[in-house]
Amino acid sequence: GAGVSQSPSNKVTEKGKDVELRCDPISGHTALYWYRQSLGQGLEFLIYFQGNSAPDKSGLPSDRFSAERTGGSVSTLTIQRTQQEDSAVYLCASSPGAGSPLHFGNGTRLTVT
Amino acid sequence: AQTVTQSQPEMSVQEAETVTLSCTYDTSESDYYLFWYKQPPSRQMILVIRQEAYKQQNATENRFSVNFQKAAKSFSLKISDSQLGDAAMYFCAYRRQVAQKLVFGQGTRLTINP
Repeated sequence: GAGVSQSPSNKVTEKGKDVELRCDPISGHTALYWYRQSLGQGLEFLIYFQGNSAPDKSGLPSDRFSAERTGGSVSTLTIQRTQQEDSAVYLCASSPGAGSPLHFGNGTRLTVT
Repeated sequence: AQTVTQSQPEMSVQEAETVTLSCTYDTSESDYYLFWYKQPPSRQMILVIRQEAYKQQNATENRFSVNFQKAAKSFSLKISDSQLGDAAMYFCAYRRQVAQKLVFGQGTRLTINP
């Protein structure tokens, strides 16, 4: 079946611009996660959704970062006034529920010039 | 806060040989889950194996097995009969039973030499 889909695959933007990253989770998966992976580094947790609510947004690095999820499905991660340090791969994952493994998308590589 | 440590940034092994990747974690919880994920150049994270902390038996998945030492907070991954397709970054991850987010280690880059 279809996996987690992320778009765009790659995004190049100028410093100071806003960007939106999209994640389509696996159908029926109630939990959705955003992670950030800087070059050669591990995965840094950003935010977790259960349905449309975000019980854990502790990983968002600043108020320039926000995320929403609508209809218990698609999620959008928005970065305002991008900075060069925002350059990274942004990974989305979904899960059918507690205790289940996460299923990841291929990520969006964001480059801020 | 929970932390996961992978002390081997890089490992290499000859094709068909066995390699063990190390992982330690820090937690005060008694119930939790541990995972190994593989990330090939395609960037997609692929689940390799999973272990529930309450299970004493080590998980196995074909050529992949773990050595789970709960008292030592150690969770190593053994890959037997290494294949060229096993080359990837390997990440160890921890999740509390009542929480949802995974906490990842920094990863180990595995190279398979033909």
